Amino acid sequence: GQSLEQPSEVTAVEGAIVQINCTYQTSGFYGLSWYQQHDGGAPTFLSYNGLDGLEETGRFSSFLSRSDSYGYLLLQELQMKDSASYFCAVPNRDDKIIFGKGTRLHILP
Amino acid sequence: NAGVMQNPRHLVRRRGQEARLRCSPMKGHSHVYWYRQLPEEGLKFMVYLQKENIIDESGMPKERFSAEFPKEGPSILRIQQVVRGDSAAYFCASSPRTTNTEAFFGQGTRLTVV
Repeated sequence: GQSLEQPSEVTAVEGAIVQINCTYQTSGFYGLSWYQQHDGGAPTFLSYNGLDGLEETGRFSSFLSRSDSYGYLLLQELQMKDSASYFCAVPNRDDKIIFGKGTRLHILP
Repeated sequence: NAGVMQNPRHLVRRRGQEARLRCSPMKGHSHVYWYRQLPEEGLKFMVYLQKENIIDESGMPKERFSAEFPKEGPSILRIQQVVRGDSAAYFCASSPRTTNTEAFFGQGTRLTVV
């Protein structure tokens, strides 16, 4: 089977840095993706890691360690608009995409 | 290039009625996924389809739920004889044939059963 674990909630201060972790258990691994979803909105793709290491896209970075079955999303210079839910996701060998339960990020002014 | 289009955005049905949710994937995308999301919860996989084929429906309830993706036209998620517990947001996503590392989501259909 497949499962992804991520914290249900994280709180951080505006302007700070926050890391959202994701551990996974999959039968066959093809990479880790991250999505953002604002309340009432649709999930939107943020990043994908197919190989170990750090991928940077502006204020957001994502990291993967295949040997540890672990990844994280790093958000820098937090802004109030970053308040949202963040999901890690894995595509599997059957092309199905499985999502974690999401981490709700609260940002304090 | 229009994104993934879902309609209706909001749907209200009485218990026992049928709900039909439509999804037109992005142009050039041949993979369609349906997910259900309850308030404050994650995205629960329901079904994965390619044109005229159901590839994986392991997340679909065995009764009352069905999905199709015909050769022409949108993908349809059908819920027959709806019950209150079916109230949720239903999201459709599509990805191109070559990769499913990035999925593009529609705005969802919010189904309310009264």
